[in-house]
Amino acid sequence: EPEVTQTPSHQVTQMGQEVILRCVPISNHLYFYWYRQILGQKVEFLVSFYNNEISEKSEIFDDQFSVERPDGSNFTLKIRSTKLEDSAMYFCASTEGQLNSPLHFGNGTRLTVT
Amino acid sequence: AQSVSQHNHHVILSEAASLELGCNYSYGGTVNLFWYVQYPGQHLQLLLKYFSGDPLVKGIKGFEAEFIKSKFSFNLRKPSVQWSDTAEYFCAVHTGGFKTIFGAGTRLFVKA
Repeated sequence: EPEVTQTPSHQVTQMGQEVILRCVPISNHLYFYWYRQILGQKVEFLVSFYNNEISEKSEIFDDQFSVERPDGSNFTLKIRSTKLEDSAMYFCASTEGQLNSPLHFGNGTRLTVT
Repeated sequence: AQSVSQHNHHVILSEAASLELGCNYSYGGTVNLFWYVQYPGQHLQLLLKYFSGDPLVKGIKGFEAEFIKSKFSFNLRKPSVQWSDTAEYFCAVHTGGFKTIFGAGTRLFVKA
């Protein structure tokens, strides 16, 4: 079964540094998402991406965050200047052609900001 | 604002016990409902979904969920749990647009 893959599985960075989290969505999927889960808390929506642009974003997704699909396969989340509170598990997901299709998640990247 | 509430944060059961995990959402319009499961060390996976039709939906591994519109609920059930069901379970709601809203999750531990 096709999978969403994320790299790295764990990233440790110092406060103020930039990080890029990478994702390869399922190849024929059209909608791409980033979610995050702070330890012990709920899975939170960050941003959705369709047709090479952001289609919806949450209040969490401020100017420090950006997403990009630099080529036909990768989908990246960049945090420009990390803060301690950015420490979380970041999940990439993709869906097929309909908005209500189930999300297919990657294994996540655990980001630790020290 | 739309929200999803899961009533139990931690549940501990013995094998063969019956399971019911509560989920309520707040939204008055048409919803698409999901339960996702996250086994230890693995990614979130779809357990089952409800879009329309029969409000009792069956998913993988013997799980089922019932959509009760009047109660804004979508509770997950399994008649007899196994040790391998130890995982975290997330209720999620899609109300239109690009966003799916998740509940806080319920950690289930099944004692062998």
